[in-house]
Amino acid sequence: GAVVSQHPSRVICKSGTSVKIECRSLDFQATTMFWYRQFPKKSLMLMATSNEGSKATYEQGVEKDKFLINHASLTLSTLTVTSAHPEDSSFYICSAGRGATTDTQYFGPGTRLTVL
Amino acid sequence: EDKVVQSPLSLVVHEGDTVTLNCSYEVTNFRSLLWYKQEKKAPTFLFMLTSSGIEKKSGRLSSILDKKELFSILNITATQTGDSAVYLCAVGLGFGNEKLTFGTGTRLTIIP
Repeated sequence: GAVVSQHPSRVICKSGTSVKIECRSLDFQATTMFWYRQFPKKSLMLMATSNEGSKATYEQGVEKDKFLINHASLTLSTLTVTSAHPEDSSFYICSAGRGATTDTQYFGPGTRLTVL
Repeated sequence: EDKVVQSPLSLVVHEGDTVTLNCSYEVTNFRSLLWYKQEKKAPTFLFMLTSSGIEKKSGRLSSILDKKELFSILNITATQTGDSAVYLCAVGLGFGNEKLTFGTGTRLTIIP
C-alpha cells in the first residue's frame, strides 16, 4: 500500500505556457501533500504544503502566483507552473502523508519539466 | 534557520565494503529523522528514527540516532552495486507526515 503517482512523468513546453502536474495517492487518503523541487545533483527543496480543502502554505521565496497548488480532494493535488520560463526547468516531486503520527511521507515518481 | 548536513557528499567504495553515512542537524522542535534512498527517480523510504540509541535494521542497512549530539548514521554492510544511489537524510518537525527539511545527500557509488 501507500502508492503515489504523478502525471506526466516528463513534459517539455515553450516559454510562457502553463504546465499542470498531478499528484495522486492511489490507495490511501492523503490529508497532506507536499511539493518539492530538485535541481540536478541537489537535494529536495520543499516548495509548499498542501492541505485538502484549504490554501497551500508556501515556503519562503516560492511565488504563490507562479506555482499554483490545488488540493481538491483527499487523493489529488495539482501544481500548475504558470508562464513557465527556462529557469523553472527542474524535477518536481510530490509526496503524501496518511495522517498517522508515526507514518512517513510517500513520494511520487517525479515530473521532469523542461522549458524551452 | 533549520539545517541538515550530510557527509561525505560523495563516496566511492568497492563491492563488499562497509560504509557509514553521516547526518547532523540543527533544528527547532525536532520530532523525527528519516533516511531515504534515491536512485533515478523519487526517494524511497528506509528508516524513521525518533528515539536516541535504538538501532533500526533492515537487511544490510542499519541506522541509529543520537539526539544529544544531534546526528544520525546510516550503515550499509557488504555493499552491492544495487546500493549505488543518493542517500538523503531529512528531519521532521512533526512525524513523517509533516514538513521535512532535507540534507544535500550523499552520493554512494559501489564499484564491482
